[in-house]
Amino acid sequence: EAGVAQSPRYKIIEKRQSVAFWCNPISGHATLYWYQQILGQGPKLLIQFQNNGVVDDSQLPKDRFSAERLKGVDSTLKIQPAKLEDSAVYLCASSLASSPLHFGNGTRLTVT
Amino acid sequence: SQQGEEDPQALSIQEGENATMNCSYKTSINNLQWYRQNSGRGLVHLILIRSNEREKHSGRLRVTLDTSKKSSSLLITASRAADTASYFCAAQYNFNKFYFGSGTKLNVKP
Repeated sequence: EAGVAQSPRYKIIEKRQSVAFWCNPISGHATLYWYQQILGQGPKLLIQFQNNGVVDDSQLPKDRFSAERLKGVDSTLKIQPAKLEDSAVYLCASSLASSPLHFGNGTRLTVT
Repeated sequence: SQQGEEDPQALSIQEGENATMNCSYKTSINNLQWYRQNSGRGLVHLILIRSNEREKHSGRLRVTLDTSKKSSSLLITASRAADTASYFCAAQYNFNKFYFGSGTKLNVKP
């Protein structure tokens, strides 16, 4: 089976600019997650979707971050405006009910 | 926050030795999973232990779970240089929520 696809692989922007990340989960996986991983730390959950509905976005900084999953398949995560502390790897993962997570290779964001 | 903790933060061993890493979590779980992350890559699932299990084996991996202490350990036996990576535990809760620990960076020297 094809894995979780993410793009772009790397992105460098200046603070106050906006950026968007894209994720295509494994076909048939109803649950999709966005995690933020700061260097040297574990992944931190930003938002979880079940089909096209939000299950948990309690740790998403909603003043600057937004995410959507139209049609319950692909998802985009947007940051506007970016801050220096947003520099991190943004990981997308998908799963079937009660199954382990399948991760993409992530997007490494550098905010200068 | 439901993020867990892991120790040690870093571990350096010789090839052939065993590596043990520990994880603690905060509230009752459905299961506990371990993932590996190679540099610059996403996480890969290694092994899952359910909340009613105490020990599980898979190849050179052995995982234990102590729900009374809210802790788990991962043992990698006869380590290889290719095992060099970061290892993370993930506690799975209701509604398929996963919270990750802070990770152990393992370096296996040839």
